[in-house]
Amino acid sequence: DADVTQTPRNRITKTGKRIMLECSQTKGHDRMYWYRQDPGLGLRLIYYSFDVKDINKGEISDGYSVSRQAQAKFSLSLESAIPNQTALYFCATSDWPQNEQFFGPGTRLTVL
Amino acid sequence: RKEVEQDPGPFNVPEGATVAFNCTYSNSASQSFFWYRQDCRKEPKLLMSVYSSGNEDGRFTAQLNRASQYISLLIRDSKLSDSATYLCVVNDDMGRRALTFGSGTRLQVQP
Repeated sequence: DADVTQTPRNRITKTGKRIMLECSQTKGHDRMYWYRQDPGLGLRLIYYSFDVKDINKGEISDGYSVSRQAQAKFSLSLESAIPNQTALYFCATSDWPQNEQFFGPGTRLTVL
Repeated sequence: RKEVEQDPGPFNVPEGATVAFNCTYSNSASQSFFWYRQDCRKEPKLLMSVYSSGNEDGRFTAQLNRASQYISLLIRDSKLSDSATYLCVVNDDMGRRALTFGSGTRLQVQP
């Protein structure tokens, strides 16, 4: 079984809808991250969490919110989706001090 | 200026060639450095960490130049399977911040 899983893997939705992307990990890591990837822009950090009670904004947090329900679960919400949020979304985990990040398989989100 | 900059490529090289990528970073306080590999439509995976003294892993060699604030990745004897996007990654503040990813350099190895 994969160490970092994301659901759904693909989602098509309409402008204005609320969407939740979920991430689970079995690696026992404290640190979890959400990124989006757009062609030519690379990975951009949306939110990150260094433990269950810690939530930090990344460089592009506007329009997104997160919830760290447990050490193993970190969900990303789009309260009212808009077309420029169409992207590939990755969840990742890491431990300290190794700091290597392990990524989930990604969620391809399309907002029409 | 971006925190981490890479030439997007693509670098088109024949099998067996040696190819090198550079990456520059803006924060002189950066502490740790990595190269990740990402195949098309897949998740990034760690290729290797970059140590101050330089390090080698098979056909791959990574080097760090703190004075000029760049890191490099050298791939010798390129294989078709090396075709991918290579992401330069930098971490500041001893891990108190999340990693910063470059936008990647695309490599296409041709038969």
